[in-house]
Amino acid sequence: RKEVEQDPGPFNVPEGATVAFNCTYSNSASQSFFWYRQDCRKEPKLLMSVYSSGNEDGRFTAQLNRASQYISLLIRDSKLSDSATYLCVVKSTGNQFYFGTGTSLTVIP
Amino acid sequence: DADVTQTPRNRITKTGKRIMLECSQTKGHDRMYWYRQDPGLGLQLIYYSFDVKDINKGEISDGYSVSRQAQAKFSLSLESAIPNQTALYFCATSDGPSDADTQYFGPGTRLTVL
Repeated sequence: RKEVEQDPGPFNVPEGATVAFNCTYSNSASQSFFWYRQDCRKEPKLLMSVYSSGNEDGRFTAQLNRASQYISLLIRDSKLSDSATYLCVVKSTGNQFYFGTGTSLTVIP
Repeated sequence: DADVTQTPRNRITKTGKRIMLECSQTKGHDRMYWYRQDPGLGLQLIYYSFDVKDINKGEISDGYSVSRQAQAKFSLSLESAIPNQTALYFCATSDGPSDADTQYFGPGTRLTVL
C-alpha cells in the first residue's frame, strides 16, 4: 500500500467554483502534513501546512482527520491561476517526506 | 537569487555514461534530499542526508550514489546511466526534525538518457 494516496483527477472546474481534494495516508504515526502546489515542469512549492484543528489561508482551507487518516484541501472561488497539480505530503516518524502522485486542477474561464 | 540551485538544468546523455547532478543551497539547512519525478508516479526519494556525515538510501537508490561535500552542497551521480533513469530530478532542503519542518525545492534537472 502506498504511503500517501490521492485522486489524480483531473478536475476541470469553472472560475468561481469551489473544489475539494482528498488524500489518505497509511501510517497512523505520521507527524506532519502539507499541501504543495506544482506548476507544469516546475518545482513543488509549499501551499500550506495542515494542522489538527484545520487551518485557512485566504481561499484555501486544509483539514486533517487523524482518526480516518485523511487530509483535505478546499479551494473557494477558483481562479485561473489556481490551475496546477496539488501534492499531498506526509512527514513520517522517520523524518522522511512522502508525496502523493498529485491531483491535477484546471480552472476554465 | 534562488535559495536552492541545481546544475545542469537540462542534460542529454547516452547509455553507460557517468553523470553528476549538483545541488547547492543558501538556506543554511542541514537536511538535503534527492528525488526523481516520473509522470504518474509522483516524487520518489533517492537519497537523503541529515548532515554532512549522514547519508541514507531512499526508496529507489539503486543505480545512484551521492556525495555531501559540505552543508550547502549535495551531489547525485549516475555511475552508468540507463534510459529508465530519464526523469525530472529535484533537490530539496529542510531545516530539521520539528513538526513545522517543510521542504524547499530546487528548480529541477531534466535528464534524458538515450
